[in-house]
Order: sequence, then C-alpha cells, then structure tokens
Amino acid sequence: GDSVTQTEGLVTLTEGLPVMLNCTYQTIYSNPFLFWYVQHLNESPRLLLKSFTDNKRTEHQGFHATLHKSSSSFHLQKSSAQLSDSALYYCALYGSFNKLTFGAGTRLAVCP
Amino acid sequence: EAAVTQSPRNKVAVTGGKVTLSCNQTNNHNNMYWYRQDTGHGLRLIHYSYGAGSTEKGDIPDGYKASRPSQENFSLILELATPSQTSVYFCASGDSREQYFGPGTRLTVL
Repeated sequence: GDSVTQTEGLVTLTEGLPVMLNCTYQTIYSNPFLFWYVQHLNESPRLLLKSFTDNKRTEHQGFHATLHKSSSSFHLQKSSAQLSDSALYYCALYGSFNKLTFGAGTRLAVCP
Repeated sequence: EAAVTQSPRNKVAVTGGKVTLSCNQTNNHNNMYWYRQDTGHGLRLIHYSYGAGSTEKGDIPDGYKASRPSQENFSLILELATPSQTSVYFCASGDSREQYFGPGTRLTVL
C-alpha cells in the first residue's frame, strides 16, 4: 500500500532561521498528489499546499515545496521561520484507492 | 468556505459501551472520511465513504463501524468501546484536490 515517511518527529528552530521538513513517499500510482497539511494547537488540520506536477515548485503563505518523483520526495521549506509557524505538519499522499495517506507528522517549534 | 461539523466535541464513555460520533458536511462532497489522531501515529484512516449508502474500510477499521445515510451525514460507531480507542477523531470531506476537516471529537474510554 501507500506510505509516507516523515523522519523528524520534532524540529526546534530559532526564529529567522530556515525551515526544512522532510517527506518521502511510496506508491505504485504513477501520478500521485502530494500535500502538506498544518495543524495549530487545538485546531483541525488544514491544507497548506499541494502539488501534482513533477519538478514544479508550489508556494503558499511563505512555504514552498517541489514534488520530485525521481526521489519520491516532497520536502517543505521556508526561508525564515516565524513564531506563528509553530505547529504540527503532516505530509500526505493521494495515491491509490481514492484516499489520503498521512505521515506521522513533524512538530515544528520556533523559539524567539 | 467548506463546512464540516462534528458532535459531540467531547465524550467520556465506559468500557463496553456503545459510542456514536456524528459528522455533517454542507459541501456536497461525495467522499467523507473518519480519522483518529494519536501522537506518534499521525492521522490514520478508519473508514471512508464514496456517497450515501456506501462505506469502505480504511487502514485501521477493527472495532469500528461506519454509516452514511445521506450525502451530508457520516457516523462512526464503536459498538463495544475499549480504552485503546481513547483518541481524537476527525471527520473530513473532500476529494483528490483537498480535504476539509471538522473540529474533532475527543473521546475518552474509561
């Protein structure tokens, strides 16, 4: 079946430093859709950005990611972390069977 | 803006009791989903539905049933609740482009 791997459970950064959260995936589906969802404390997950196109950068709210099918990766990046970026981030794959498969999530803690 | 609501928002149940979690969406989405969220496991799919009258097993369906009586409503049923089912449950509606999540239900089984 489909799977998503997020290697970091917790990432702690100082405000102003760059953010990179890792995401790799496995699927037999040749045209997967990849997503990043963000969940702030006591809220529900909401879509941050998505991509369907190989090697095309997608951006939203200062974050960006590029789907690389050759390496099955979809890493999330931001040039400068803000305190308000502290949240739980999920990478997700829409591959087989009309459903999303989520990674275990990465908690980002941004400190002043 | 898409709207998904869940009830109850908090529930305390006893072991062996029956629990029903309800979800309503006003987006006219065909697909609806039930997830549970646990630290270290992320969001795991329990059941989903392609439309009224249909339910499909997700990745962790054991101990859960689902019901989709209408386009708008999707319920998750725990016939015999166990402490291992203590979790936060999210309902979502959507498609391949985006899923919209409800506010969640915090369930505690004692």
